[in-house]
Amino acid sequence: EADIYQTPRYLVIGTGKKITLECSQTMGHDKMYWYQQDPGMELHLIHYSYGVNSTEKGDLSSESTVSRIRTEHFPLTLESARPSHTSQYLCASSVGVWNSPLHFGNGTRLTVT
Amino acid sequence: AQKVTQAQTEISVVEKEDVTLDCVYETRDTTYYLFWYKQPPSGELVFLIRRNSFDEQNEISGRYSWNFQKSTSSFNFTITASQVVDSAVYFCALGDNNDMRFGAGTRLTVKP
Repeated sequence: EADIYQTPRYLVIGTGKKITLECSQTMGHDKMYWYQQDPGMELHLIHYSYGVNSTEKGDLSSESTVSRIRTEHFPLTLESARPSHTSQYLCASSVGVWNSPLHFGNGTRLTVT
Repeated sequence: AQKVTQAQTEISVVEKEDVTLDCVYETRDTTYYLFWYKQPPSGELVFLIRRNSFDEQNEISGRYSWNFQKSTSSFNFTITASQVVDSAVYFCALGDNNDMRFGAGTRLTVKP
């Protein structure tokens, strides 16, 4: 059963548009993460959060921003979408920091035309 | 530096064959955790197993088994009597005091 939800599942958008990818979890996990992944390829950490009002940048050069106003909600915003942003975006959460398994959402597949 | 290497990009086997997926890691920390995840064609990553650095016991769960060897910094995953439903991309990951890092994944195809 899915306790972490991502919307939309698929999104096609034009260059220059601002978009927000939604992620919510009902498990009460403090830690949340955003990964970018081309289908079946390596995962790249783009943002993570230790809890409310905490946000950190990951490895991938970030052209996006995140916020963590509520424990359960961790949206990702692209201010100006570009074709290079075309990818799958995976949200995850965990109980602990780096010692706990991650629970992943189903992902948002973004296409920027 | 923390690093996870999955040298096998793709593996193809015929149903009922045994297959081993390799994972080699690097870390400077003495306390760390190793994970395996499965990503079927549907796309959702599913957690399979976690081991900590102080527990080198091998583990078996049904057709799945894991061999953790600190001496070679490896955490290999074996599927016995593979089935078509095992077809997926499998990721090894390392969590230590600094980060959680994933390997590049191994795409396993099991043919009927």
